[in-house]
Amino acid sequence: KNEVEQSPQNLTAQEGEFITINCSYSVGISALHWLQQHPGGGIVSLFMLSSGKKKHGRLIATINIQEKHSSLHITASHPRDSAVYICAVRWYGGSQGNLIFGKGTKLSVKP
Amino acid sequence: EADIYQTPRYLVIGTGKKITLECSQTMGHDKMYWYQQDPGMELHLIHYSYGVNSTEKGDLSSESTVSRIRTEHFPLTLESARPSHTSQYLCASSESRSAYGYTFGSGTRLTVV
Repeated sequence: KNEVEQSPQNLTAQEGEFITINCSYSVGISALHWLQQHPGGGIVSLFMLSSGKKKHGRLIATINIQEKHSSLHITASHPRDSAVYICAVRWYGGSQGNLIFGKGTKLSVKP
Repeated sequence: EADIYQTPRYLVIGTGKKITLECSQTMGHDKMYWYQQDPGMELHLIHYSYGVNSTEKGDLSSESTVSRIRTEHFPLTLESARPSHTSQYLCASSESRSAYGYTFGSGTRLTVV
């Protein structure tokens, strides 16, 4: 069982829809990252958070440390948001500074 | 605008060849990482460095080696490529006291035939 679970695995939405991607983890963490990976393979860091909520443009990330859960929301989705969204946690065990990654949620936004 | 550069972007090479994947960053980050990602799967750490002359193996065993002679440069070398090394390799960097997380390169997609 992976320590970081994301849901859903695949998500298809119509342009303009509100989107939520969920991430649950089972280890003690110091921070959680949301990453975006486009078909070309490169990864962009969207958020790093350890508590509460962060907002950047149409993206909102929240985390509940007690429940070991985080959500990534996209408001007014657009086809250019189509990508794989990856949740990763920085945990206290393992190699120092190591991130444990989820398998990603593949989002496709149709015009 | 990429602040971390990986070359080559794509590489197809024959079994037994020695290859070096390049990774350079211009941000002065002290920490650098190499991740391996198979299609549709999660990333796994194969090597990391906390500074010049500091390198460690990650949680995923790998036959590759790395070096960190300069802060900005963290190349990964495979002495003898095999088809099992076919994968995507992603380089990343971070700063110890940064609140801004990691910066990733565009990746190198390696195919060993």
